[in-house]
Amino acid sequence: AQSVSQHNHHVILSEAASLELGCNYSYGGTVNLFWYVQYPGQHLQLLLKYFSGDPLVKGIKGFEAEFIKSKFSFNLRKPSVQWSDTAEYFCAVKTAGTYKYIFGTGTRLKVLA
Amino acid sequence: NAGVTQTPKFQVLKTGQSMTLQCAQDMNHEYMSWYRQDPGMGLRLIHYSVGAGITDQGEVPNGYNVSRSTTEDFPLRLLSAAPSQTSVYFCASSYPGHSAQYFGPGTRLTVT
Repeated sequence: AQSVSQHNHHVILSEAASLELGCNYSYGGTVNLFWYVQYPGQHLQLLLKYFSGDPLVKGIKGFEAEFIKSKFSFNLRKPSVQWSDTAEYFCAVKTAGTYKYIFGTGTRLKVLA
Repeated sequence: NAGVTQTPKFQVLKTGQSMTLQCAQDMNHEYMSWYRQDPGMGLRLIHYSVGAGITDQGEVPNGYNVSRSTTEDFPLRLLSAAPSQTSVYFCASSYPGHSAQYFGPGTRLTVT
């Protein structure tokens, strides 16, 4: 069965530090990839998505992610985090041509001011 | 557009009670789904629908029922609530194919 792994469960950074959150998936076929963010007390919002083309995708609020097919990875990055980035981040995968989205277990990011 | 709306925001049930969580979207999305979010487990798909009259099971369907009589609405029914169903429930919708999901604000359910 498909699975999505997010290895970092909790990350604590100081403001201006760089961020990289890992996401690996288990399916070998064509996939659509997503990163969602959930700010405290809010619902999930889309940060960025990859369907095809340039494997480096840019999203909102300065986030970007790189799809590396050979590594089955879609890591999320931000060069300089802000206190307002404190949130939980979820990676999700959808097999192309299906309707099922599989989510990772999430990474809680805390940014210290 | 209101987007995806869910009611109620909070609910407390006793074991054995039944209830329906409501979900509606006004974006004419064909695809709708229900997830539960539990600490350390991410979001797990309960049921989903690819259009009116079509539903299918997700990863954790036991104890839940759905129906989709209109494009807009996708209610989730708990038939006989159990403490293991204490969770936050999110509804989501999207267009088919290359599309991200839009999520509702969630319903926090506690079963005692």
